[in-house]
Amino acid sequence: RKEVEQDPGPFNVPEGATVAFNCTYSNSASQSFFWYRQDCRKEPKLLMSVYSSGNEDGRFTAQLNRASQYISLLIRDSKLSDSATYLCVVNTNAGKSTFGDGTTLTVKP
Amino acid sequence: DAGVIQSPRHEVTEMGQEVTLRCKPISGHNSLFWYRQTMMRGLELLIYFNNNVPIDDSGMPEDRFSAKMPNASFSTLKIQPSEPRDSAVYFCASSSRNHQPQHFGDGTRLSIL
Repeated sequence: RKEVEQDPGPFNVPEGATVAFNCTYSNSASQSFFWYRQDCRKEPKLLMSVYSSGNEDGRFTAQLNRASQYISLLIRDSKLSDSATYLCVVNTNAGKSTFGDGTTLTVKP
Repeated sequence: DAGVIQSPRHEVTEMGQEVTLRCKPISGHNSLFWYRQTMMRGLELLIYFNNNVPIDDSGMPEDRFSAKMPNASFSTLKIQPSEPRDSAVYFCASSSRNHQPQHFGDGTRLSIL
């Protein structure tokens, strides 16, 4: 079993749709959590951190459920520019980061 | 502010040659990470350093790969001898503390012929 598992995707949605990505992690000692975005042939870029109480940044909402070892990302009112691969990242206390394989999102006109 | 700087951006070389990839982390960051990304295997952590000390190199594929961090502002990843299966995008990333997010460089696109 992989340490970090994501929805396999791909997700193909129309503009304006709401889409949710899920991520589970196996290491209960994990301390910090992030969502990254990666565009084709580019480096991963931090989208947002994920806090225990849940957090929102504009159209993006991230949630963490420590009991279920589950992280989610919700994108509302999808834009064409949201098309990318979204990576779930989990950090252990030792500072090691484990990336999920990513979920590909395509937003269509 | 300058981000993580990697060089070269692209490298094409013949198998058997030595390849050296370079990385300058963000000033003040004390953790540095080397990753490799391919379509088949996704993003793989090769090695990471805290305060210039290698902490976990379990992701280094084999003895042909080596990484050093002689000071807080510079790291290298070497492949000697290189093989076609080493072709990939190699990313360097840095972070300020254990629980802080990593910031990635633009990557080095390596092709071994």
